[in-house]
Amino acid sequence: DQQVKQNSPSLSVQEGRISILNCDYTNSMFDYFLWYKKYPAEGPTFLISISSIKDKNEDGRFTVFLNKSAKHLSLHIVPSQPGDSAVYFCAARSRIQGAQKLVFGQGTRLTINP
Amino acid sequence: NAGVTQTPKFQVLKTGQSMTLQCAQDMNHNSMYWYRQDPGMGLRLIYYSASEGTTDKGEVPNGYNVSRLNKREFSLRLESAAPSQTSVYFCASTGTGDQPQHFGDGTRLSIL
Repeated sequence: DQQVKQNSPSLSVQEGRISILNCDYTNSMFDYFLWYKKYPAEGPTFLISISSIKDKNEDGRFTVFLNKSAKHLSLHIVPSQPGDSAVYFCAARSRIQGAQKLVFGQGTRLTINP
Repeated sequence: NAGVTQTPKFQVLKTGQSMTLQCAQDMNHNSMYWYRQDPGMGLRLIYYSASEGTTDKGEVPNGYNVSRLNKREFSLRLESAAPSQTSVYFCASTGTGDQPQHFGDGTRLSIL
């Protein structure tokens, strides 16, 4: 059973428009949600996160929304830029023994077209 | 700023060979992690170390062993490699509180 799902393998958006990436989860015990961005041949890099007690977090062009009743989060990028073309992973966190256990979605490949 | 360094970057093994993947971080982080990523899938946790001297199984530990050599270093060992272990392996580390995990650039491992 997949606890974190990103149902869109790919998304294509025109430069300057809004990109919306979606993620669903099943486990109510997750306490934090994160978005990572990944370029080819590199490791994932942290983008933005949100605590389970909040419903929105904004950082520049990036905003993450959390809907706990629907167990759904989304990442909004506005305006989209060519450098945003990458694979985006959502991850859900639980804590155990002082460590963080992350469960990742499958990823969404975002392509920004000029 | 090195962050998380993984060696080697690429490796090809034959079935049954053994291999140790190395990971080191210079951020004085307490916790370290090993993940694997397969095509079309997200990263899956293999093993983690909450602090120096402790290690625990993650989601997919079978066929792997780990060693937390000191606070900086966390190695992953394949004792008898199998083709199903062909993957990209990522190491990550994190400090205390709500700091996000920082990832290395991965080791691409092919087992023939």
